Amino acid sequence: DGGITQSPKYLFRKEGQNVTLSCEQNLNHDAMYWYRQDPGQGLRLIYYSQIVNDFQKGDIAEGYSVSREKKESFPLTVTSAQKNPTAFYLCASSIEWYGQGVSYNEQFFGPGTRLTVL
Amino acid sequence: GNSVTQMEGPVTLSEEAFLTINCTYTATGYPSLFWYVQYPGEGLQLLLKATKADDKGSNKGFEATYRKETTSFHLEKGSVQVSDSAVYFCALSDQYNQGGKLIFGQGTELSVKP
Repeated sequence: DGGITQSPKYLFRKEGQNVTLSCEQNLNHDAMYWYRQDPGQGLRLIYYSQIVNDFQKGDIAEGYSVSREKKESFPLTVTSAQKNPTAFYLCASSIEWYGQGVSYNEQFFGPGTRLTVL
Repeated sequence: GNSVTQMEGPVTLSEEAFLTINCTYTATGYPSLFWYVQYPGEGLQLLLKATKADDKGSNKGFEATYRKETTSFHLEKGSVQVSDSAVYFCALSDQYNQGGKLIFGQGTELSVKP
């Protein structure tokens, strides 16, 4: 089955520790994204990568880091510098469609990782 | 900058009721518009999309029409089911599709009672 996997589903860490969230996709998509979701808020973009070995900051990149060494993998590290890391983290990948003079990206999401910092 | 505003939830309906979730946007040019759905404890799934003005996206009984004159993309369903209970997100990508990024509204939680 093609899709996006995130592991683990629930993650607990002590304050001050770095933690890495896994995201793997076998859809052969070039672009991948990390979002943070807090209760009552929409998704906020942390980092995104359009191609291997390249990534850009999103709207809330402070306190996070990423790498993109393989097309299939886009791990997110939540560092101790992130002031409020407890949240639900969603990874996505996308494919670009063209038609009728427009292009758009359809994003496919993983099941998410709920991180709780104690 | 670009933004998306959705009606606040939670929305509670009885089964077979009519559903409308309002979504308005601010964007330059001609964005593409999307509705995503998130079931409890899961990631988001694309529900429907519209890529140009007056397009109607539809899927699983849900519909939304891209209205440029009112900058709106309201989600509708004629008869909701308990299984439609979820959080619904309106989103847009700008006309230049920069990096494939999406801008999301804050989400509207729908609860359908039997």
